[in-house]
Amino acid sequence: AQKVTQAQTEISVVEKEDVTLDCVYETRDTTYYLFWYKQPPSGELVFLIRRNSFDEQNEISGRYSWNFQKSTSSFNFTITASQVVDSAVYFCALSGPRYQTGANNLFFGTGTRLTVIP
Amino acid sequence: SQTIHQWPATLVQPVGSPLSLECTVEGTSNPNLYWYRQAAGRGLQLLFYSVGIGQISSEVPQNLSASRPQDRQFILSSKKLLLSDSGFYLCAWSDWEGYTFGSGTRLTVV
Repeated sequence: AQKVTQAQTEISVVEKEDVTLDCVYETRDTTYYLFWYKQPPSGELVFLIRRNSFDEQNEISGRYSWNFQKSTSSFNFTITASQVVDSAVYFCALSGPRYQTGANNLFFGTGTRLTVIP
Repeated sequence: SQTIHQWPATLVQPVGSPLSLECTVEGTSNPNLYWYRQAAGRGLQLLFYSVGIGQISSEVPQNLSASRPQDRQFILSSKKLLLSDSGFYLCAWSDWEGYTFGSGTRLTVV
């Protein structure tokens, strides 16, 4: 079975603080994909990153960074020097190996609501 | 470039009324299409997915149905809405790069 757990329901930080959003996943697939999406108040889901199970390199994109650790089945997301515009709900998601060639469910965590206080 | 259109953006419907939400994709052919629902304060749940015209798979049994009359059109329907159908409905399509979501429809059943 596939499952994504985001234990942090809500996080509040003061602007310019760093914040890490946790994501732990479960899967029996050896090939799988992990995603992070941002959902601002408008509701639409904004794609942030995709990572496949064979690439454990950490990724940095501006103030965003991701730490993928297969040994602990975690794919954590860190925002450095947070800004008010970062306030949103963030979802971690997991997909199996067939998503590229056939329909495959994207399993979502329950999301973490991040509030950045000015 | 590929785009996904979903409408209406918001909808208020009485209990027992029918529902039809439409999603269309542009710039791609034979996409995998999905309907997700997000209940208030919760994560997203897959309702239906489709790998081709007329091919619908349901993940959650309920009073909703989906249809794919054309390659790039995916419709979510109900004959009689329930209060529990309220939520935020998102259409999505996937390719090798990942999943792209529409802007969503916020449905309130009253």
